[in-house]
Amino acid sequence: KQEVTQIPAALSVPEGENLVLNCSFTDSAIYNLQWFRQDPGKGLTSLLLIQSSQREQTSGRLNASLDKSSGRSTLYIAASQPGDSATYLCAVASWGNEKLTFGTGTRLTIIP
Amino acid sequence: EAGVAQSPRYKIIEKRQSVAFWCNPISGHATLYWYQQILGQGPKLLIQFQNNGVVDDSQLPKDRFSAERLKGVDSTLKIQPAKLEDSAVYLCASSLELGRSTDTQYFGPGTRLTVL
Repeated sequence: KQEVTQIPAALSVPEGENLVLNCSFTDSAIYNLQWFRQDPGKGLTSLLLIQSSQREQTSGRLNASLDKSSGRSTLYIAASQPGDSATYLCAVASWGNEKLTFGTGTRLTIIP
Repeated sequence: EAGVAQSPRYKIIEKRQSVAFWCNPISGHATLYWYQQILGQGPKLLIQFQNNGVVDDSQLPKDRFSAERLKGVDSTLKIQPAKLEDSAVYLCASSLELGRSTDTQYFGPGTRLTVL
């Protein structure tokens, strides 16, 4: 059974700093790995999707890496802004039905 | 492009009552998912449809939860009877189809259920 862990559970950093969010998973036989953002009272928004054969993906100030052998992914956010404040969720898709298993998230607060 | 629509947005019921949630996926999306998100946790998949067939319902509490997807478009999720531990946000998501590793899931705003 796939298990996904995100550490830390909460993080506060001053505006402008670069930061890294961590995700680990127990079963390396994954279909893809996705990072989502969740704002209070709202649904999830997809940020980045890394296919099983890829090592990283980039979108603007965001960069996500994937190391299947160690069961880890990181989300790097450059030059953080107050608008980046949200909960960030990592999810791993399984082969076959592509079922997503989510971590519990990291609640990020950017201090102006 | 319209997103995933869900209704109602909020629902408060007494335990042992029944409740139903509705979801309209993005047009053309064959795959539909219902997730349960308890406060402080990540979403947990309850049921997954491909068109109007069930792909995975292994984590659906079938003694009280049911779901259907009529004509492979809209879907309803029902709880009967509700328990206190069913208090959560119920999220609906859709994606184009299975077998496309580049496809992400698009989520609706969710229905927040409170069971008293």
